[in-house]
Amino acid sequence: AQSVTQLGSHVSVSEGALVLLRCNYSSSVPPYLFWYVQYPNQGLQLLLKYTTGATLVKGINGFEAEFKKSETSFHLTKPSAHMSDAAEYFCAVSKGSSYKLIFGSGTRLLVRP
Amino acid sequence: GAVVSQHPSWVICKSGTSVKIECRSLDFQATTMFWYRQFPKQSLMLMATSNEGSKATYEQGVEKDKFLINHASLTLSTLTVTSAHPEDSSFYICSASLGVQGEQPQHFGDGTRLSIL
Repeated sequence: AQSVTQLGSHVSVSEGALVLLRCNYSSSVPPYLFWYVQYPNQGLQLLLKYTTGATLVKGINGFEAEFKKSETSFHLTKPSAHMSDAAEYFCAVSKGSSYKLIFGSGTRLLVRP
Repeated sequence: GAVVSQHPSWVICKSGTSVKIECRSLDFQATTMFWYRQFPKQSLMLMATSNEGSKATYEQGVEKDKFLINHASLTLSTLTVTSAHPEDSSFYICSASLGVQGEQPQHFGDGTRLSIL
């Protein structure tokens, strides 16, 4: 069965600092991987996705993630945090022909001035 | 592109009332739509998957008679919470996908906060 683990329910960084949000997955087949962001009382917005090809994926708002098969990881990074990045971030996986998404438990990013 | 509109954004109603939530894909035809429930400070829980013109597929533990889903067209799916009770209070989010393959991302509506008094 597939699963997604997001290490750290809360991550706090200073404005301008590196953002690193961790995501590990388990899947018996090559997965499709996604990062979504959720602002308060809103739905989810797609940040980036990995399906095939280049393992370093660039997304919106300066975020990027690297698919590392050997580590079964898909960590999300941003070189310099902005106050507007404060939100809840969800990593998700789907596999093969299945279009169902399995979500991680989410990581709340706090950005300190 | 790929905008999903969900309406209403907030509902407060009395216990026993039925509530309908609409999910529309505004600029694309959605082969598949999904309904999620999210409890405070928790992740999303998939309730059901709906395909246009066919019956919805419900996840284990989700009451089909309580949460009625209709997917009448490629741009509209509705979720009706029948005879709602306080325990049905939650944040409900829909999403829509362009295709049936896993690499197609889901595009989410802004959610509906349902409060049952």
